[in-house]
Amino acid sequence: AQSVTQPDIHITVSEGASLELRCNYSYGATPYLFWYVQSPGQGLQLLLKYFSGDTLVQGIKGFEAEFKRSQSSFNLRKPSVHWSDAAEYFCAVEAGSYQLTFGKGTKLSVIP
Amino acid sequence: EAGVAQSPRYKIIEKRQSVAFWCNPISGHATLYWYQQILGQGPKLLIQFQNNGVVDDSQLPKDRFSAERLKGVDSTLKIQPAKLEDSAVYLCASSPRTEAQETQYFGPGTRLLVL
Repeated sequence: AQSVTQPDIHITVSEGASLELRCNYSYGATPYLFWYVQSPGQGLQLLLKYFSGDTLVQGIKGFEAEFKRSQSSFNLRKPSVHWSDAAEYFCAVEAGSYQLTFGKGTKLSVIP
Repeated sequence: EAGVAQSPRYKIIEKRQSVAFWCNPISGHATLYWYQQILGQGPKLLIQFQNNGVVDDSQLPKDRFSAERLKGVDSTLKIQPAKLEDSAVYLCASSPRTEAQETQYFGPGTRLLVL
């Protein structure tokens, strides 16, 4: 069965600093990969997704992610964090059946 | 385009009581999902509908949870009787199911507290 690991439970960065959130997946074939963001009291909003092709994927709000098959990773990056980026971030994998398996999430705090 | 609607947004009940959550997916979306998100964890799929049929309910605790999607549109998730460990956010999502890989669109969730 597929699984997703987000090693960092909580990350704090200063506003304007760069950000990288880690995601590792376990799945036998090429997965479909997603990053979602959840603000307090809100549902999940899709940031970006990878299905095939270019391994560097651009998303909304200035986020990007890179799929690395050799490392089974799909890390999320942003060159300069804004205070409004403070939220919880979830990596997810779809491995058939149109079902998502989520990681436990990484909470991002931003210091002004 | 209106998003996925859920109600109520918050619910507090005592254990052994029953509760129901309602979801209205995005118009035209064939697939509907219910997820349970316990504090500190990612969402976990409970049940998946395709139109008004169940695709997968393998992770639904059927002794207390039930769900239906009448007429392939709105859906209701019910818990009866509730347990303390059912305290969570219940998220509804929908997708159009027109491509091999679909984006799921999530509602704001219903936050349930069982006392």
